[in-house]
Amino acid sequence: KQEVTQIPAALSVPEGENLVLNCSFTDSAIYNLQWFRQDPGKGLTSLLLIQSSQREQTSGRLNASLDKSSGRSTLYIAASQPGDSATYLCAVDYGQNFVFGPGTRLSVLP
Amino acid sequence: DAGVIQSPRHEVTEMGQEVTLRCKPISGHNSLFWYRQTMMRGLELLIYFNNNVPIDDSGMPEDRFSAKMPNASFSTLKIQPSEPRDSAVYFCASSLGVFQTYFGPGTRLTVT
Repeated sequence: KQEVTQIPAALSVPEGENLVLNCSFTDSAIYNLQWFRQDPGKGLTSLLLIQSSQREQTSGRLNASLDKSSGRSTLYIAASQPGDSATYLCAVDYGQNFVFGPGTRLSVLP
Repeated sequence: DAGVIQSPRHEVTEMGQEVTLRCKPISGHNSLFWYRQTMMRGLELLIYFNNNVPIDDSGMPEDRFSAKMPNASFSTLKIQPSEPRDSAVYFCASSLGVFQTYFGPGTRLTVT
């Protein structure tokens, strides 16, 4: 069964800290992996997409890595800001379907 | 709960044909969203329903696209006539108020 898990479920940090969000998937036969941001009452915003042949992607203060062999991806957020507070979702594209993780709820305190 | 259910999971059709995508939201949820994802444009919100009423359809690309939600447990997204540029993954999602949104597995549409 294809499953995606994320740890921690929730995280609260002071502004300015660097942090890492983790995503694990059971089936390594992926097409790509995406990290999304979800704000309360709003839709998803795609942050980074990593193709199965890639190891990492960077966008601004965000860096996502992918290790297919171990079934893991991490989202690194540098110098966190209160505006980063949201739920972060990891989603794996298996070609046949997408499987979403449960999300990590991040609070960045000013 | 089985989560958000979408059908079909894959659809391959010829240009000019009508395509209907279906979604069953999570029971009890009162908001439903249709998204489209392409490599070029990323994830786009097409339309958003609340209590079965379309609230924001500003993301619907053109008149060829239409969405309905006849009841709280079913929604359709129809493309007529379909074009190759409509090829994308279409997601349906549901939520209860401002709480977490749950996404379906997506329908991968290919228009040749």
